[in-house]
Amino acid sequence: DSGVTQTPKHLITATGQRVTLRCSPRSGDLSVYWYQQSLDQGLQFLIQYYNGEERAKGNILERFSAQQFPDLHSELNLSSLELGDSALYFCASSVGGTGRYGYTFGSGTRLTVV
Amino acid sequence: TQLLEQSPQFLSIQEGENLTVYCNSSSVFSSLQWYRQEPGEGPVLLVTVVTGGEVKKLKRLTFQFGDARKDSSLHITAAQPGDTGLYLCAGDGLGGATNKLIFGTGTLLAVQP
Repeated sequence: DSGVTQTPKHLITATGQRVTLRCSPRSGDLSVYWYQQSLDQGLQFLIQYYNGEERAKGNILERFSAQQFPDLHSELNLSSLELGDSALYFCASSVGGTGRYGYTFGSGTRLTVV
Repeated sequence: TQLLEQSPQFLSIQEGENLTVYCNSSSVFSSLQWYRQEPGEGPVLLVTVVTGGEVKKLKRLTFQFGDARKDSSLHITAAQPGDTGLYLCAGDGLGGATNKLIFGTGTLLAVQP
């Protein structure tokens, strides 16, 4: 157990639907990062939050949004889902706001859009 | 275009063999990390290297950061089936941005007993 909790582990939904992925960071970590992993693109950075504030954005689609709550857990919302959104979505956390000393990853949410 | 290219993409070897995985970029990174990912799990941090030329050892694994901080290598001695997994390098500090790690393309290693 890495200390980063992601739910649900698996999600199957239809095109056009909206889903919410949840992440609880490791105790004491203030930063949360979201990554998408697919076979053809590898691990792609989506967005980072630090202590409730958005800190950095990657290649995140406009249909996707995220937030970090006062208790530091984070949610990634994916809407108007398309087949191509099927992927593994990982949340990671770190103590500070940088990646310099590494991230702790959760076990991921496998999203299948049918 | 991937900023961090790993080679080889796939590697299948017998238990006891040695291997080296490479992580290359044309860009300079503040630090470079190596992760191992097993099926159904998230990547797990193995090591962080921050100084050009730095060498770190973790049991049978040896990690090196290039002098110019643009590349790194991972050498495994006497590989074991438990070393099987996806090895990912990740760079921090590209262009001064320290907010996010950029991950390499990955090397899938299979060690046959």
